[in-house]
Amino acid sequence: DTAVSQTPKYLVTQMGNDKSIKCEQNLGHDTMYWYKQDSKKFLKIMFSYNNKELIINETVPNRFSPKSPDKAHLNLHINSLELGDSAVYFCASSSGLAGGTDTQYFGPGTRLTVL
Amino acid sequence: QKEVEQNSGPLSVPEGAIASLNCTYSDRVSQSFFWYRQYSGKSPELIMSIYSNGDKEDGRFTAQLNKASQYVSLLIRDSQPSDSATYLCAVIKFNGYALNFGKGTSLLVTP
Repeated sequence: DTAVSQTPKYLVTQMGNDKSIKCEQNLGHDTMYWYKQDSKKFLKIMFSYNNKELIINETVPNRFSPKSPDKAHLNLHINSLELGDSAVYFCASSSGLAGGTDTQYFGPGTRLTVL
Repeated sequence: QKEVEQNSGPLSVPEGAIASLNCTYSDRVSQSFFWYRQYSGKSPELIMSIYSNGDKEDGRFTAQLNKASQYVSLLIRDSQPSDSATYLCAVIKFNGYALNFGKGTSLLVTP
């Protein structure tokens, strides 16, 4: 069974469109994350939810809106897509111990290409 | 100054040699330190975590932490071609949750 899954794996879309990426974890974790890996392979935190509550909201355009319907799911909706949004988006989850003395498990990633 | 810095490489070592990967971090309140491995087109996977000064060994991997020097390293003994990947150093601040990653070091192990 896949621990952290994401859909879709690939997403190709036009500028200006709105798209969503879904993430699900079956590890029973309380905390989920969205990371963005740009074309230079730099991996950076975007958002984090703990028990459906937003706990990290980095400097990200407000075109990006995360939603956590329950502890096992964290979705990412992106409005008015721009060329610079092209990247690989990784979902991750952990048990959510402050200070990080727990492992974050990453999903397979969603490669978003904006044309 | 970037929070987590790594030499981007590529670092090339012959099969069977020791690969040494280094990382420095800027925030003194950093609490937890991690090495992730990422193969091309794949997601990061945890190799080692370390929380206190000194060495931590797991199989062929040894993580070393020196908080006074704000320095973390990863040694890979008996390097194999399958170790060829990008190694990401990551740090979590005190009471923090998010991983702050370095840009990664590309390792190439040649047969």
